Amino acid sequence: SYVLTQPPSVSVAPGKTATITCGGDNIGGKTVHWYQQRPGQAPAVVIYYDADRPSGIPDRFSGSNSGNTATLTISRVEAGDEADYYCQVWDSTSVHYVFGAGTKVTVL
Amino acid sequence: EVQLVESGGGLIQPGGSLRLSCAASGFTFKNFAMNWVRQAPGKGLEWVSAISGNGGSTYNADFAKGRFTISRDNFKSTLFLQMDSLRVEDSALYYCAKEIGNFIHPIDSWGQGTLVTVSS
Repeated sequence: SYVLTQPPSVSVAPGKTATITCGGDNIGGKTVHWYQQRPGQAPAVVIYYDADRPSGIPDRFSGSNSGNTATLTISRVEAGDEADYYCQVWDSTSVHYVFGAGTKVTVL
Repeated sequence: EVQLVESGGGLIQPGGSLRLSCAASGFTFKNFAMNWVRQAPGKGLEWVSAISGNGGSTYNADFAKGRFTISRDNFKSTLFLQMDSLRVEDSALYYCAKEIGNFIHPIDSWGQGTLVTVSS
């Protein structure tokens, strides 16, 4: 089955840039969505269709997808960005949705 | 405003069955694919099952095949997950989740979840 690989954790100072990767075999050929989950809350989509931002999501959040890596970038990081972030794809071979294991972003 | 309210979770012995429900409101239910996603305590998100808007297509994670059945009642705007032969490793918070469109689209709304605990 298709596997998405994320780093377990990323630490970043306020005002700096956090980069979260999501690796998968030719993931550039798939469509990637990113979810933010704050402690005790349900997830919420922050980037969909590789690079689009839902309404209400600040432009500090951006996404890209090419080759074997998709990337979520959070610019000018704020304390409120501290959360777990998950990538997700649809794997047409197994007809499964797949989530990455998640990356915990810690704001120093 | 979209609302998804799950119910039906609880404590169940291994081998037992539970039926989860998700009452939906605030949108035209039949027009959107729906999913169940679970999260074990302290763990990540795990997709369970998906169903198309008209209920004609369903998909299940490998661990759910043969044990879990997703279904929907579009007249009552309700999503279901019948879970049989439950295992200890099925213990998790089960989220009902709505897609943006009718299948293979991102999830734009989540319920608060219903907790399933499988233990003897």
